[in-house]
Amino acid sequence: QTVVTQEPSFSVSPGGTVTFTCGLSSGSVSTTSYPSWYQQTPGQAPRTLIYNTNKRSSGVPDRFSGSILGNKAALTITGAQADDESHYYCLLFVGSAIWVFGGGTKLTVL
Amino acid sequence: EVQLVESGGGLVQPGGSLRLSCAASGFTFSNYWMTWVRQAPGKGLEWVANINQDGSRKQYVDSMKGRFTISRDNAKSSLYLQMNSLRAEDTAEYYCATSEEYAFSYWGQGILVTVSS
Repeated sequence: QTVVTQEPSFSVSPGGTVTFTCGLSSGSVSTTSYPSWYQQTPGQAPRTLIYNTNKRSSGVPDRFSGSILGNKAALTITGAQADDESHYYCLLFVGSAIWVFGGGTKLTVL
Repeated sequence: EVQLVESGGGLVQPGGSLRLSCAASGFTFSNYWMTWVRQAPGKGLEWVANINQDGSRKQYVDSMKGRFTISRDNAKSSLYLQMNSLRAEDTAEYYCATSEEYAFSYWGQGILVTVSS
């Protein structure tokens, strides 16, 4: 069974930069995993931030960026703001029209 | 404006069945893969199932194969999830979403399913 790993939590100061990662329990994440990233605040539906590794969804500020770092996907927030405090989930395509979410990272901005 | 509106949730007893619906508008529904994602209370997101544009291809997470069935009616711009043999661990918010470029782009607001006696 494929397990997608994410850091459970992160904290960042306002204006700071933070990078979350998204890995596979066995194997490497690459562009063919088509990593995407979602932001979710409590009580709300997820919001799509990044798709296909590094493409920003419509309306997403350019302080959010996606990349591959080593054998993992990464989401970087540059110049964090208070309303970035949310849960962030990555999603990987693992083949045969099967997708797996990571467990999510809770970001605190303080 | 793209809109996805889920309905059909509620309280059901263990072993019971429920059919969720997702009404789509604001885009050409028949052009898109569609997906269901769920989130148990206080937990993370879990991909459930998806279906291709004409309904000929369906995929499920292993734990739901045989119990859940995804379907669609393009004439009605609607997506469905038939859930049978429900268990307490199926209690969750269920979201429908469009699927394109290997990601889930537009999301509904979700519908709560509670499995309890």
